[in-house]
Amino acid sequence: AQKITQTQPGMFVQEKEAVTLDCTYDTSDQSYGLFWYKQPSSGEMIFLIYQGSYDEQNATEGRYSLNFQKARKSANLVISASQLGDSAMYFCAMRRLQNRDDKIIFGKGTRLHILP
Amino acid sequence: DSGVTQTPKHLITATGQRVTLRCSPRSGDLSVYWYQQSLDQGLQFLIQYYNGEERAKGNILERFSAQQFPDLHSELNLSSLELGDSALYFCASSHRSVGNTIYFGEGSWLTVV
Repeated sequence: AQKITQTQPGMFVQEKEAVTLDCTYDTSDQSYGLFWYKQPSSGEMIFLIYQGSYDEQNATEGRYSLNFQKARKSANLVISASQLGDSAMYFCAMRRLQNRDDKIIFGKGTRLHILP
Repeated sequence: DSGVTQTPKHLITATGQRVTLRCSPRSGDLSVYWYQQSLDQGLQFLIQYYNGEERAKGNILERFSAQQFPDLHSELNLSSLELGDSALYFCASSHRSVGNTIYFGEGSWLTVV
């Protein structure tokens, strides 16, 4: 069964420090996609970054990078130089597409607090 | 702006009532997904449609139903509402490829009183 695990329910980080949010996944598929989303207190789900299972290089998007370790089945999100506006809930997600079945499953999330 | 439009943004209704949530996917996206997020909970997958056809079902209650119309917009119908149905309901859309990003609408906040 497919599963996403985020082991950090909450984190407190000092502003301007880098932060790593953990995500491990479980799948027997060869082809899959991994995503990170940010959910601020206003509720919307904001796409941050994507990593394909066949991508050899780690994905980067501005201050966000994804530390993809395929053998370990981990896809950690790294936020460099954190800002107060980064305080939010962060979700890791995995998409698999097999036959007619297109599922995206989410972890339970990590609530990140950036301290001034 | 993700390009996914959900209406209404907020809805307050009484127990036992029925509501319909509407979703317009991004232009060109054939896949639509519905998720439920209860207070301080993760996202629970409800159902997925591709070009009008139901493709995957998650933990969707029998009181809930959905459909995707020929113009690709989708509706989620919630009936015989209970207090526990109060949640944020998301619609998301995507192209049908593992590598395509899934974009979410702003969600519909449903409060059942």
